[in-house]
Amino acid sequence: LAKTTQPISMDSYEGQEVNITCSHNNIATNDYITWYQQFPSQGPRFIIQGYKTKVTNEVASLFIPADRKSSTLSLPRVSLSDTAVYYCLVDSRRRASKIIFGSGTRLSIRP
Amino acid sequence: GAVVSQHPSRVICKSGTSVKIECRSLDFQATTMFWYRQFPKKSLMLMATSNEGSKATYEQGVEKDKFLINHASLTLSTLTVTSAHPEDSSFYICSAHIFDLREGRSGNEQFFGPGTRLTVL
Repeated sequence: LAKTTQPISMDSYEGQEVNITCSHNNIATNDYITWYQQFPSQGPRFIIQGYKTKVTNEVASLFIPADRKSSTLSLPRVSLSDTAVYYCLVDSRRRASKIIFGSGTRLSIRP
Repeated sequence: GAVVSQHPSRVICKSGTSVKIECRSLDFQATTMFWYRQFPKKSLMLMATSNEGSKATYEQGVEKDKFLINHASLTLSTLTVTSAHPEDSSFYICSAHIFDLREGRSGNEQFFGPGTRLTVL
Protein backbone atom coordinates (compact mmCIF):
# COMPACT_ATOMS: atom_id res chain seq x y z
CA LEU A 1 0.00 0.00 0.00
CA ALA A 2 1.32 3.40 -0.97
CA LYS A 3 2.21 5.66 1.94
CA THR A 4 0.63 9.10 2.04
CA THR A 5 2.02 12.37 3.37
CA GLN A 6 -0.08 15.42 4.19
CA PRO A 7 0.30 18.52 6.36
CA ILE A 8 -0.31 17.92 10.04
CA SER A 9 -2.51 20.97 10.46
CA MET A 10 -4.07 23.88 8.59
CA ASP A 11 -6.02 26.95 9.62
CA SER A 12 -8.52 28.95 7.61
CA TYR A 13 -11.53 31.21 7.96
CA GLU A 14 -15.20 30.83 7.25
CA GLY A 15 -16.13 31.38 3.64
CA GLN A 16 -12.66 30.61 2.30
CA GLU A 17 -11.70 27.81 -0.05
CA VAL A 18 -9.39 25.29 1.57
CA ASN A 19 -7.01 23.08 -0.36
CA ILE A 20 -5.28 20.16 1.33
CA THR A 21 -2.56 18.44 -0.64
CA CYS A 22 -1.44 14.87 -0.17
CA SER A 23 1.53 13.12 -1.69
CA HIS A 24 1.53 9.43 -2.58
CA ASN A 25 4.69 8.89 -4.59
CA ASN A 26 4.43 5.10 -4.71
CA ILE A 27 0.85 4.86 -5.88
CA ALA A 28 0.18 1.77 -8.00
CA THR A 29 -1.78 1.47 -11.23
CA ASN A 30 -4.82 -0.05 -9.53
CA ASP A 31 -4.89 2.39 -6.62
CA TYR A 32 -7.54 5.02 -6.03
CA ILE A 33 -7.19 8.11 -3.86
CA THR A 34 -9.75 8.47 -1.12
CA TRP A 35 -10.41 11.18 1.43
CA TYR A 36 -12.20 10.77 4.75
CA GLN A 37 -13.35 13.31 7.34
CA GLN A 38 -13.40 12.61 11.05
CA PHE A 39 -14.95 14.65 13.84
CA PRO A 40 -13.86 14.12 17.45
CA SER A 41 -15.22 10.90 18.98
CA GLN A 42 -16.83 9.80 15.74
CA GLY A 43 -15.98 7.30 13.03
CA PRO A 44 -14.53 8.57 9.74
CA ARG A 45 -16.91 9.64 7.00
CA PHE A 46 -16.21 9.17 3.30
CA ILE A 47 -15.81 12.45 1.40
CA ILE A 48 -14.60 11.71 -2.10
CA GLN A 49 -12.64 9.24 -4.21
CA GLY A 50 -10.90 9.53 -7.54
CA TYR A 51 -8.46 7.90 -9.93
CA LYS A 52 -7.32 10.72 -12.18
CA THR A 53 -8.01 14.32 -13.27
CA LYS A 54 -10.88 15.87 -11.35
CA VAL A 55 -13.78 14.56 -9.36
CA THR A 56 -16.48 16.74 -7.85
CA ASN A 57 -19.40 15.95 -5.59
CA GLU A 58 -21.73 17.98 -3.42
CA VAL A 59 -19.16 18.61 -0.69
CA ALA A 60 -15.71 18.69 -2.29
CA SER A 61 -13.52 18.45 -5.35
CA LEU A 62 -10.51 16.23 -5.82
CA PHE A 63 -7.74 17.19 -8.20
CA ILE A 64 -5.28 14.53 -9.36
CA PRO A 65 -2.43 15.40 -11.74
CA ALA A 66 -1.42 13.15 -14.60
CA ASP A 67 1.41 11.44 -12.68
CA ARG A 68 -0.99 10.71 -9.77
CA LYS A 69 1.80 11.15 -7.24
CA SER A 70 -0.20 13.75 -5.38
CA SER A 71 -3.78 14.90 -4.98
CA THR A 72 -5.55 17.97 -3.64
CA LEU A 73 -8.79 18.00 -1.73
CA SER A 74 -10.64 21.27 -2.24
CA LEU A 75 -13.35 22.39 0.16
CA PRO A 76 -15.29 25.39 -1.17
CA ARG A 77 -16.48 28.11 1.21
CA VAL A 78 -15.74 26.33 4.47
CA SER A 79 -17.76 26.85 7.62
CA LEU A 80 -17.01 26.24 11.29
CA SER A 81 -18.55 22.79 10.96
CA ASP A 82 -15.77 21.78 8.58
CA THR A 83 -13.32 21.77 11.48
CA ALA A 84 -12.16 18.16 11.53
CA VAL A 85 -9.33 15.82 10.67
CA TYR A 86 -9.03 14.94 6.99
CA TYR A 87 -7.34 11.72 5.95
CA CYS A 88 -5.90 11.02 2.52
CA LEU A 89 -5.37 7.38 1.75
CA VAL A 90 -4.80 5.00 -1.10
CA ASP A 91 -7.28 2.25 -1.81
CA SER A 92 -6.52 -0.65 -4.12
CA ARG A 93 -9.11 -1.82 -6.65
CA ARG A 94 -9.05 -5.25 -5.11
CA ARG A 95 -11.86 -6.89 -3.17
CA ALA A 96 -11.72 -6.28 0.60
CA SER A 97 -8.51 -4.34 0.28
CA LYS A 98 -7.60 -2.96 3.68
CA ILE A 99 -6.94 0.73 4.02
CA ILE A 100 -4.21 2.25 6.12
CA PHE A 101 -4.77 5.66 7.64
CA GLY A 102 -1.94 8.17 7.65
CA SER A 103 -1.52 10.96 10.13
CA GLY A 104 -4.25 13.16 8.67
CA THR A 105 -4.57 16.94 8.50
CA ARG A 106 -6.22 18.73 11.39
CA LEU A 107 -8.19 21.58 9.82
CA SER A 108 -9.31 24.42 12.05
CA ILE A 109 -11.81 26.97 10.76
CA ARG A 110 -12.12 30.31 12.51
CA PRO A 111 -14.99 32.82 12.36
CA GLY B 1 -26.48 5.41 2.91
CA ALA B 2 -25.31 2.26 4.64
CA VAL B 3 -25.42 2.44 8.42
CA VAL B 4 -23.08 0.74 10.86
CA SER B 5 -23.78 0.74 14.58
CA GLN B 6 -21.57 -0.04 17.54
CA HIS B 7 -22.59 -1.04 21.03
CA PRO B 8 -21.85 0.16 23.59
CA SER B 9 -20.87 3.70 22.67
CA ARG B 10 -18.80 3.99 25.80
CA VAL B 11 -17.81 1.60 28.54
CA ILE B 12 -15.87 1.85 31.77
CA CYS B 13 -14.53 -1.30 33.33
CA LYS B 14 -12.14 -2.46 36.00
CA SER B 15 -8.71 -3.76 35.21
CA GLY B 16 -8.71 -7.50 34.59
CA THR B 17 -12.25 -7.74 33.26
CA SER B 18 -13.29 -8.48 29.68
CA VAL B 19 -15.33 -6.18 27.48
CA LYS B 20 -17.28 -7.07 24.33
CA ILE B 21 -17.95 -4.53 21.61
CA GLU B 22 -20.52 -5.23 18.90
CA CYS B 23 -20.42 -3.93 15.35
CA ARG B 24 -23.53 -4.28 13.20
CA SER B 25 -24.30 -3.38 9.62
CA LEU B 26 -27.95 -2.34 9.84
CA ASP B 27 -29.20 -2.35 6.28
CA PHE B 28 -26.67 -4.38 4.34
CA GLN B 29 -24.60 -7.51 4.58
CA ALA B 30 -20.84 -7.28 4.94
CA THR B 31 -18.61 -10.27 4.44
CA THR B 32 -15.66 -8.28 5.75
CA MET B 33 -15.42 -6.00 8.74
CA PHE B 34 -12.36 -4.13 9.99
CA TRP B 35 -11.46 -3.16 13.54
CA TYR B 36 -9.41 -0.08 14.37
CA ARG B 37 -8.24 1.59 17.54
CA GLN B 38 -7.46 5.26 17.95
CA PHE B 39 -5.61 7.00 20.76
CA PRO B 40 -6.26 10.70 21.53
CA LYS B 41 -5.10 13.00 18.73
CA LYS B 42 -3.68 10.04 16.81
CA SER B 43 -4.70 8.36 13.60
CA LEU B 44 -6.71 5.17 13.26
CA MET B 45 -4.64 2.02 13.55
CA LEU B 46 -5.93 -1.11 11.84
CA MET B 47 -6.08 -3.99 14.30
CA ALA B 48 -7.62 -6.82 12.33
CA THR B 49 -9.68 -7.90 9.36
CA SER B 50 -12.73 -9.95 10.21
CA ASN B 51 -14.29 -12.26 7.63
CA GLU B 52 -17.65 -13.92 8.15
CA GLY B 53 -17.29 -17.57 9.02
CA SER B 54 -13.52 -17.60 9.26
CA LYS B 55 -10.74 -16.56 11.61
CA ALA B 56 -9.76 -12.94 11.76
CA THR B 57 -6.47 -11.73 10.32
CA TYR B 58 -4.54 -9.62 12.80
CA GLU B 59 -2.08 -6.87 12.00
CA GLN B 60 1.48 -7.20 13.17
CA GLY B 61 1.84 -6.39 16.86
CA VAL B 62 -1.82 -6.99 17.74
CA GLU B 63 -2.29 -9.82 20.23
CA LYS B 64 -4.95 -12.14 18.90
CA ASP B 65 -5.46 -13.79 22.31
CA LYS B 66 -6.13 -10.44 23.89
CA PHE B 67 -8.39 -9.02 21.20
CA LEU B 68 -10.82 -11.78 20.29
CA ILE B 69 -12.80 -11.21 17.13
CA ASN B 70 -15.87 -13.15 16.11
CA HIS B 71 -17.76 -12.63 12.87
CA ALA B 72 -20.66 -15.02 13.21
CA SER B 73 -23.01 -13.49 10.66
CA LEU B 74 -22.99 -11.14 7.68
CA THR B 75 -24.24 -8.30 9.85
CA LEU B 76 -22.41 -8.75 13.14
CA SER B 77 -18.81 -8.78 14.27
CA THR B 78 -17.68 -8.60 17.87
CA LEU B 79 -14.41 -7.54 19.46
CA THR B 80 -13.70 -8.78 22.98
CA VAL B 81 -10.91 -7.14 24.92
CA THR B 82 -9.84 -9.79 27.39
CA SER B 83 -8.25 -9.03 30.76
CA ALA B 84 -8.34 -5.34 30.00
CA HIS B 85 -5.69 -3.04 31.42
CA PRO B 86 -5.50 0.77 31.54
CA GLU B 87 -3.26 0.82 28.46
CA ASP B 88 -6.14 -0.74 26.50
CA SER B 89 -8.16 2.41 27.07
CA SER B 90 -8.83 3.76 23.61
CA PHE B 91 -11.45 4.55 20.98
CA TYR B 92 -12.37 1.41 19.05
CA ILE B 93 -13.93 1.80 15.62
CA CYS B 94 -15.27 -0.84 13.26
CA SER B 95 -16.06 -0.62 9.58
CA ALA B 96 -18.19 -2.83 7.38
CA HIS B 97 -17.10 -3.52 3.85
CA ILE B 98 -19.00 -4.18 0.65
CA PHE B 99 -17.57 -4.58 -2.82
CA ASP B 100 -19.50 -2.51 -5.33
CA LEU B 101 -17.75 -1.90 -8.63
CA ARG B 102 -18.84 1.36 -10.16
CA GLU B 103 -17.34 3.62 -12.78
CA GLY B 104 -14.63 5.76 -11.25
CA ARG B 105 -14.55 3.95 -7.92
CA SER B 106 -12.25 1.32 -6.46
CA GLY B 107 -15.18 -0.88 -5.53
CA ASN B 108 -14.19 -1.12 -1.89
CA GLU B 109 -16.83 0.67 0.11
CA GLN B 110 -16.14 0.91 3.83
CA PHE B 111 -18.73 2.27 6.20
CA PHE B 112 -17.55 3.19 9.65
CA GLY B 113 -19.33 2.81 12.95
CA PRO B 114 -19.57 5.66 15.46
CA GLY B 115 -16.89 4.16 17.71
CA THR B 116 -16.74 2.82 21.26
CA ARG B 117 -14.77 4.59 23.93
CA LEU B 118 -13.26 2.13 26.37
CA THR B 119 -11.89 3.31 29.68
CA VAL B 120 -10.15 0.77 31.91
CA LEU B 121 -9.68 1.80 35.51
